[in-house]
Amino acid sequence: GQNIDQPTEMTATEGAIVQINCTYQTSGFNGLFWYQQHAGEAPTFLSYNVLDGLEEKGRFSSFLSRSKGYSYLLLKELQMKDSASYLCAVRDHNTDKLIFGTGTRLQVFP
Amino acid sequence: NAGVTQTPKFRILKIGQSMTLQCTQDMNHNYMYWYRQDPGMGLKLIYYSVGAGITDKGEVPNGYNVSRSTTEDFPLRLELAAPSQTSVYFCASSFPRTDGAQFFGPGTRLTVL
Repeated sequence: GQNIDQPTEMTATEGAIVQINCTYQTSGFNGLFWYQQHAGEAPTFLSYNVLDGLEEKGRFSSFLSRSKGYSYLLLKELQMKDSASYLCAVRDHNTDKLIFGTGTRLQVFP
Repeated sequence: NAGVTQTPKFRILKIGQSMTLQCTQDMNHNYMYWYRQDPGMGLKLIYYSVGAGITDKGEVPNGYNVSRSTTEDFPLRLELAAPSQTSVYFCASSFPRTDGAQFFGPGTRLTVL
């Protein structure tokens, strides 16, 4: 079967660093995506990992360990505009479809 | 480029009514998708298409139908609306690549009363 777990909510302070974890179980793994979704808006693509290791994009980094079925999204120098939900999604190798987690709602406080 | 556009933005339906949610993309993407998102839940795939004339069911297809006559358009049809179909509907598109990120439309917020 397929299962993706993320924390439901997190809070952090402006300027800080926050790590959002995602664990997954899938019968066939073919890549992991992170999306950002502001309240009432559409998800927007943040990052993609298919090999183990860290991918860095400005203030955002994403890490993948395939052997552990684990990923995290690291947000540095947090800004108020980073308050949003962060969705982890795994591409299933067998179906080529994305399976989404329920998302982590991040609130950034001044 | 407008990206992925969806109409309408909001709609209220009565039980038993039907409607079509429109989705158009101008990025020449082969793949298109329809998702629904319920409060506190992840995106659930309803239907998807890998090209004009080809569609397939996703995780939650019951109560919906789709067609794909052109690369650009992928309408979603709701027949005999039910309260369980109250949700936010997102259309998305992507290139057929393993690292092909999906680009989402702004969503349609549907309420069935």
